[in-house]
Amino acid sequence: DTGVSQDPRHKITKRGQNVTFRCDPISEHNRLYWYRQTLGQGPEFLTYFQNEAQLEKSRLLSDRFSAERPKGSFSTLEIQRTEQGDSAMYLCASSLEAGVNTEAFFGQGTRLTVV
Amino acid sequence: GENVEQHPSTLSVQEGDSAVIKCTYSDSASNYFPWYKQELGKRPQLIIDIRSNVGEKKDQRIAVTLNKTAKHFSLHITETQPEDSAVYFCAAPIYSGGGADGLTFGKGTHLIIQP
Repeated sequence: DTGVSQDPRHKITKRGQNVTFRCDPISEHNRLYWYRQTLGQGPEFLTYFQNEAQLEKSRLLSDRFSAERPKGSFSTLEIQRTEQGDSAMYLCASSLEAGVNTEAFFGQGTRLTVV
Repeated sequence: GENVEQHPSTLSVQEGDSAVIKCTYSDSASNYFPWYKQELGKRPQLIIDIRSNVGEKKDQRIAVTLNKTAKHFSLHITETQPEDSAVYFCAAPIYSGGGADGLTFGKGTHLIIQP
């Protein structure tokens, strides 16, 4: 394992469908973050986990968004009843230490297109 | 919450010249300021970061300066090369009651190196 991996890389879905993305962090990293990036913007923080605990979720974009990290390893981000405005790149990142003052390594992202 | 402003949005320089990108932040508690480089279609990658106990940090052709009084920090790239062409993002921590969560990013600077 040489980096953060995300699956799938691309997802096209019809409006109203549910989608789920997976993130596998660097194996010894205990912090895992989800971000959304739209065209021409910087990544926007959504939520994060310290091991299996989700410590911040107030920035999830709506109640249609949810994330899990059940065993403190991989994480999933689910979007229910997708809307066209959900089209974006969804990035996962992980970091080694407890605290944000350490390098976060990003995955390649999942590009979601809602048609 | 933390607000990060980044300027300019686009910067075009001649190869070999220097480039400077500036960011301001709002939360005086912020103490960690990373810079990420994102090439087209790729993941953001950390290129340099600075913590609030130092005013400047250098790594070969890249340097970052921090002015905590004025709440701004800057990225300096000297002797620019074609491979420096990318979008650069500054960032600062997001703090909640329990401590630092994720990062808030600037909107990015598209750096173009003219041959």
